[in-house]
Amino acid sequence: KQEVTQIPAALSVPEGENLVLNCSFTDSAIYNLQWFRQDPGKGLTSLLLIQSSQREQTSGRLNASLDKSSGRSTLYIAASQPGDSATYLCAVRPAGSQGNLIFGKGTKLSVKP
Amino acid sequence: KAGVTQTPRYLIKTRGQQVTLSCSPISGHRSVSWYQQTPGQGLQFLFEYFSETQRNKGNFPGRFSGRQFSNSRSEMNVSTLELGDSALYLCASSLVAPGEGGTEAFFGQGTRLTVV
Repeated sequence: KQEVTQIPAALSVPEGENLVLNCSFTDSAIYNLQWFRQDPGKGLTSLLLIQSSQREQTSGRLNASLDKSSGRSTLYIAASQPGDSATYLCAVRPAGSQGNLIFGKGTKLSVKP
Repeated sequence: KAGVTQTPRYLIKTRGQQVTLSCSPISGHRSVSWYQQTPGQGLQFLFEYFSETQRNKGNFPGRFSGRQFSNSRSEMNVSTLELGDSALYLCASSLVAPGEGGTEAFFGQGTRLTVV
């Protein structure tokens, strides 16, 4: 059974710091891994999608890596800003017909001015 | 390009009642999935529809049901509401069918259901 774990559960950093959020999954048979951002009481905003054949994806100050063999992904945020404060969720899409997303519990990030 | 639209945004219902939530996917997307989000359990998969057919179902009781229409819009229904059904219900749309490879999921803003 696929399980997704995110560490740490919460993180507080001063503005301007570079940071790394971690995501691990137990089964390497995936189509892709997706990182999302969720603001309080809101829906999920897709940040980055990494296909199983890719090693990393970048968008602006965000860079996500994927090591499928070890079951790990990291989301790197450069030069953090208070507006980055949110909960970050990673999700994997298992390979095969049962293609629903399996989510981690998220990392709640607080960036202090 | 319009995103995923969920209505209503907020609902308050009484135990024992039933509720219907609606989701309109991104234009051209034919796959719609539903998820329940609670503080304790996080995001849990409810079901997935493609071309009006349920292709996948999560581990929820039969009180939770859904359907998809020919225009890809989807509805989910919860009957005989319980206090534990209070949650944020999220809908996601994708371009291709489940099991056809890695496709990006786009989520709506959710419907906040409160059962009293």
